[in-house]
Amino acid sequence: QKEVEQDPGPLSVPEGAIVSLNCTYSNSAFQYFMWYRQYSRKGPELLMYTYSSGNKEDGRFTAQVDKSSKYISLFIRDSQPSDSATYLCAMSAQYDKVIFGPGTSLSVIP
Amino acid sequence: DSGVTQTPKHLITATGQRVTLRCSPRSGDLSVYWYQQSLDQGLQFLIQYYNGEERAKGNILERFSAQQFPDLHSELNLSSLELGDSALYFCASSATGVRGQPQHFGDGTRLSIL
Repeated sequence: QKEVEQDPGPLSVPEGAIVSLNCTYSNSAFQYFMWYRQYSRKGPELLMYTYSSGNKEDGRFTAQVDKSSKYISLFIRDSQPSDSATYLCAMSAQYDKVIFGPGTSLSVIP
Repeated sequence: DSGVTQTPKHLITATGQRVTLRCSPRSGDLSVYWYQQSLDQGLQFLIQYYNGEERAKGNILERFSAQQFPDLHSELNLSSLELGDSALYFCASSATGVRGQPQHFGDGTRLSIL
């Protein structure tokens, strides 16, 4: 079993839809949780950074962490064609390396 | 724009050769990380430098080496290249040496081995 698992997609939604992206993990020591967006031929761009459990909102993006279930989610409201990209979850234990999920490819259709 | 600069953007070379990839971190960041991204392996951590010193090693092959210079830029050296080394190589930086902090990525160097 991989440390971090993520449905690779591709996920295709109509413009304006609410998108839910998810990751599961196995290491209960993970405390820091991140979501990155990666456009084709570009580097990953940090979207959200959270510590421990709970929710964090930034504009149209909401990150949720459920440590009891070892499950994290990223919600995108009012999705736009410009949101079409690959979304990578990432996480780490304190003072340890960051482990990235394989990424979910998202297409938002106008 | 993340502020992390990587050169060159694309490198094409042959098996057995040696290449050097360069990274300039964001202004003020002291840590540099190198990652390899391939279709089948995802984003794999290679090595971290903090303020000129090696801080952590990941899945870095012995044929690969890196260093961070006094001006904080970093270079990743890949030698005796094999076809399987073809991948995207990313550099990321963060403010301190504490791993788990948010990292900011450059746009990568695409290495193609013929």
